[in-house]
Amino acid sequence: ETGVTQSPTHLIKTRGQQVTLRCSSQSGHNTVSWYQQALGQGPQFIFQYYREEENGRGNFPPRFSGLQFPNYSSELNVNALELDDSALYLCASSLAGEALEQYFGPGTRLTVT
Amino acid sequence: GESVGLHLPTLSVQEGDNSIINCAYSNSASDYFIWYKQESGKGPQFIIDIRSNMDKRQGQRVTVLLNKTVKHLSLQIAATQPGDSAVYFCAENLKISGFQKLVFGTGTRLLVSP
Repeated sequence: ETGVTQSPTHLIKTRGQQVTLRCSSQSGHNTVSWYQQALGQGPQFIFQYYREEENGRGNFPPRFSGLQFPNYSSELNVNALELDDSALYLCASSLAGEALEQYFGPGTRLTVT
Repeated sequence: GESVGLHLPTLSVQEGDNSIINCAYSNSASDYFIWYKQESGKGPQFIIDIRSNMDKRQGQRVTVLLNKTVKHLSLQIAATQPGDSAVYFCAENLKISGFQKLVFGTGTRLLVSP
């Protein structure tokens, strides 16, 4: 186990709703990255947070947003859910400067109906 | 562009065989590569990594080979066991101004028969 935890494990939402996913990073890790993994695909980078600010973003629309808290935990928020948002959402924690070694949590399975 | 791809979507082997999973990457500037193992219902688990100044790195039962000339990466698993059955991803570390991100391939499913 990596020490990275995510909640909830599973979630079902309706198109148009909003969702918040949570991640607790491994002890001592100050950087959190979020990834979206569609079924049968590799994880796709959404964004990264360091010192409570977004310091990098992938090709995702603004309705994907996030937060990082002083204890380095993080949230991923998705507004106006679409069917294609159904995926496994992974967070990974790392140390700034050592972002190469990212430790993943078990993920949150989001289903949008 | 940013893409890391795999040649074989599924690899079936017998227990005890050696397995080789291949991966092609596209970004010449990538300086770090990682192999992850993902079991059903779990997040990706780090297996082994290699930096671009190396050609080969060995771990316990695993070896990663890097050929920068043809932008090719491989993961070799010795004496494959049923517990090795999973989806394997290669990822390259892409440096963008101010941060770094991992670019993953689609993955290869390894099936190990007893």
